[in-house]
Parts: sequence; structure tokens; C-alpha cells
Amino acid sequence: GNSVTQMEGPVTLSEEAFLTINCTYTATGYPSLFWYVQYPGEGLQLLLKATKADDKGSNKGFEATYRKETTSFHLEKGSVQVSDSAVYFCALSDPYGGTSYGKLTFGQGTILTVHP
Amino acid sequence: DAGVIQSPRHEVTEMGQEVTLRCKPISGHNSLFWYRQTMMRGLELLIYFNNNVPIDDSGMPEDRFSAKMPNASFSTLKIQPSEPRDSAVYFCATGMRGAGQPQHFGDGTRLSIL
Repeated sequence: GNSVTQMEGPVTLSEEAFLTINCTYTATGYPSLFWYVQYPGEGLQLLLKATKADDKGSNKGFEATYRKETTSFHLEKGSVQVSDSAVYFCALSDPYGGTSYGKLTFGQGTILTVHP
Repeated sequence: DAGVIQSPRHEVTEMGQEVTLRCKPISGHNSLFWYRQTMMRGLELLIYFNNNVPIDDSGMPEDRFSAKMPNASFSTLKIQPSEPRDSAVYFCATGMRGAGQPQHFGDGTRLSIL
């Protein structure tokens, strides 16, 4: 079955530091890949996505590249801010035509805390 | 555009009471997912629907939990009778079936069973 593994947290950084949160996956075929962010007291929000190999998703200064050869989708940001403090989830969905009806498989989440 | 709307946002009730959580999906979305989130177990998928039909309820923890989707614009998750270990944040998410389609989450219902 499908699975997603994220680097263990929590991750604590100073403002303006470089961020990497590792994500690797196991899936058949070519899944779509997502990063979601959850701020305190809120639901998960889509941060970025990539639907095929070598695609780069980007949003709000965050980037992730779909690497089929290493089955990875690592999240990066060049300079984090205090407002980036949140929980980050990596997820995948089955390729189109599968029977999962848009079901997502999530990683366990990584807590990020950014200090001033 | 209105997102996924969940109600109530907070619910506090006593053990043994019936609890009903509600979800209004984004108009046009044909898949709906119910999740539970706790510190201990993380994010768990309970059940999901496509075109109002339940597809997989293998994540529903016990027979005390039930979910319905009577039409395309409304779904409920019911717990009867409730127990303290059901305390969690329950999320509803909706989306479209298709390659690369994300799910859109509501803000959740924070449930506390005393």
C-alpha cells in the first residue's frame, strides 16, 4: 500500500534560517504529491503540490520538487519567518483512474517552531 | 467562495450523550472525507464518500460511530453513545476525484467528552 514518511520533529529554527523538511513516499505508479500546513486551531491548508516527476511546486516562498528516482518531495524555504511556525504534512494521492476517489495518504506531520 | 463549513466549532458534552457533527462541502465537490486528529494518534481517516455513497468506512473506530451523506451539500458524523476517548478534533474535507486534485479542509470541530 501507499505510505509517506516525514522527518521527525519538532524542528526549531531562528528567523531567516534555511528550512528543509524531508518527505519520502512509497506508492505504485505516479502519485500526485502535496504539502499541507496547519496553523494552531485551524484545519489543514494546501501549501503546494506537484503532479508528475520533476515538477516543482511553490507557494509563499516554499518549494518542493517531485523526485521519482529518490521517491522524495522535500519541502524547502530559504528564509523562514516566525509566522511560518505550524505543523507541516506531506501527502500523496493515487494516480487518476485509481479507485481511491481522491483519498490522501498523509505523513505524521512535522512541527516547526521559528524563534525571532 | 465559501470553503468547507463545519459545525459546531466546539462541543462539550457528558459521556453517554449523542454527538452530531455537521459538514457542508464546497459546491461541486464530489468526494467527502471525515478525519479525526489527536496528539497520540495524529490524523486518522475515518470514512469517505464519493457522489454521496460511502466508499470506505474501515477507519471508523467502533459501531458507536456512524456517518451519512443524504445529499451533495450535507454530511453528518454521529457518535452514540460518546466516551471520553472520543475527545479529539474532527475534520471534514472535500475534493474532486482526479489526478492532482487536493482536498480542502474545514476548520474542524473540537469535541470534548467529559
